[in-house]
Amino acid sequence: AQKVTQAQTEISVVEKEDVTLDCVYETRDTTYYLFWYKQPPSGELVFLIRRNSFDEQNEISGRYSWNFQKSTSSFNFTITASQVVDSAVYFCALSEAYRGGNQFYFGTGTSLTVIP
Amino acid sequence: DTEVTQTPKHLVMGMTNKKSLKCEQHMGHRAMYWYKQKAKKPPELMFVYSYEKLSINESVPSRFSPECPNSSLLNLHLHALQPEDSALYLCASSQDPALAAYEQYFGPGTRLTVT
Repeated sequence: AQKVTQAQTEISVVEKEDVTLDCVYETRDTTYYLFWYKQPPSGELVFLIRRNSFDEQNEISGRYSWNFQKSTSSFNFTITASQVVDSAVYFCALSEAYRGGNQFYFGTGTSLTVIP
Repeated sequence: DTEVTQTPKHLVMGMTNKKSLKCEQHMGHRAMYWYKQKAKKPPELMFVYSYEKLSINESVPSRFSPECPNSSLLNLHLHALQPEDSALYLCASSQDPALAAYEQYFGPGTRLTVT
């Protein structure tokens, strides 16, 4: 079974629009961690944020914000006033405490294109 | 400094060649990883090194041979590869292999083409 689901395969928005990338996860562990990564065309995965299962506070960093809801097992990512530089593939990932640090479950990724 | 470096950036090799990919980090991380990523797919875990010892091999064919000479370096030796092995190979590191809390930092990858 897929532990991390990113149902949106591709999204296109016009510059300055807001866009939300969805991430739904599945785990039986009570302690787990969620991550978002950005992969621009150059290929490198860039770490954006980590959230642990005990912290449901939303996070805002500049134009980026994250909404974590345990009740719906979701960890969504919103980009406000999108820019062309935001064009990339975005991956959501899960790690479970009982597995230690050795296993990231990646979602299939959402390819975001921001049109100027 | 959260940098993971990888060399070479691009590699083209024939099916009979032997080549090596290199990865380096100086963050004091004790877990290092090799991933393979095909186009439009998420990274797939290949190997994990924990405190310089191989801890996970995800049933990777023996034509891929990892090596961790020291805590900062990770190599991937390639021999007799197949065209389907063409992919982006990513190296990553994280602070403590025992803890799921730590993010992995990725290098820029090596784009490998097998002809």
